[in-house]
Amino acid sequence: GAVVSQHPSWVICKSGTSVKIECRSLDFQATTMFWYRQFPKQSLMLMATSNEGSKATYEQGVEKDKFLINHASLTLSTLTVTSAHPEDSSFYICSASFDRGAGELFFGEGSRLTVL
Amino acid sequence: GQNIDQPTEMTATEGAIVQINCTYQTSGFNGLFWYQQHAGEAPTFLSYNVLDGLEEKGRFSSFLSRSKGYSYLLLKELQMKDSASYLCAVQDPRTGRRALTFGSGTRLQVQP
Repeated sequence: GAVVSQHPSWVICKSGTSVKIECRSLDFQATTMFWYRQFPKQSLMLMATSNEGSKATYEQGVEKDKFLINHASLTLSTLTVTSAHPEDSSFYICSASFDRGAGELFFGEGSRLTVL
Repeated sequence: GQNIDQPTEMTATEGAIVQINCTYQTSGFNGLFWYQQHAGEAPTFLSYNVLDGLEEKGRFSSFLSRSKGYSYLLLKELQMKDSASYLCAVQDPRTGRRALTFGSGTRLQVQP
């Protein structure tokens, strides 16, 4: 079964609104989660690293004020796309790994955002 | 920086064997992953290599040569359901971070 759960799977919103996506690790604690974005027929691009209890680390070119990340507990990270625009339409995927071991990453189901 | 290359598309026949290559150039290396991704779905883990050699898991095998910066994913007894994108990814070497850098993915089409 899934070890990382992501919600919602699909979301359609109007331009200018904000959308929150949740990522939960099931049955394990993840001090670090990762948020990726994938445009059609392209690969996954890391947006930011979400650290429990501290600020997220953003990749170059990703606006931290637009993509708000909150990692309030060891099992939950949220990504909020603020003032969404059509160019933000994409597939957003979170991942988490066990804190020990090979570091195998488990991915959530993904959230497809469409901004009208 | 990191650079990961893999072919864009491949076509193979049901029942056959296909090898998907991946080359990488990274400043550091903590392991190489292969993922399968069907259209519109999240990636699913296939294999992980950190040492040189071949890792076998059922119909799927993955090989790594760190000195050559090279890996391949071998799929045997191809089935129609194997039609998907296959992503090669290298683990970020920065301490305490397990983020992956992905290649562009190889879209495999299995034909009858």
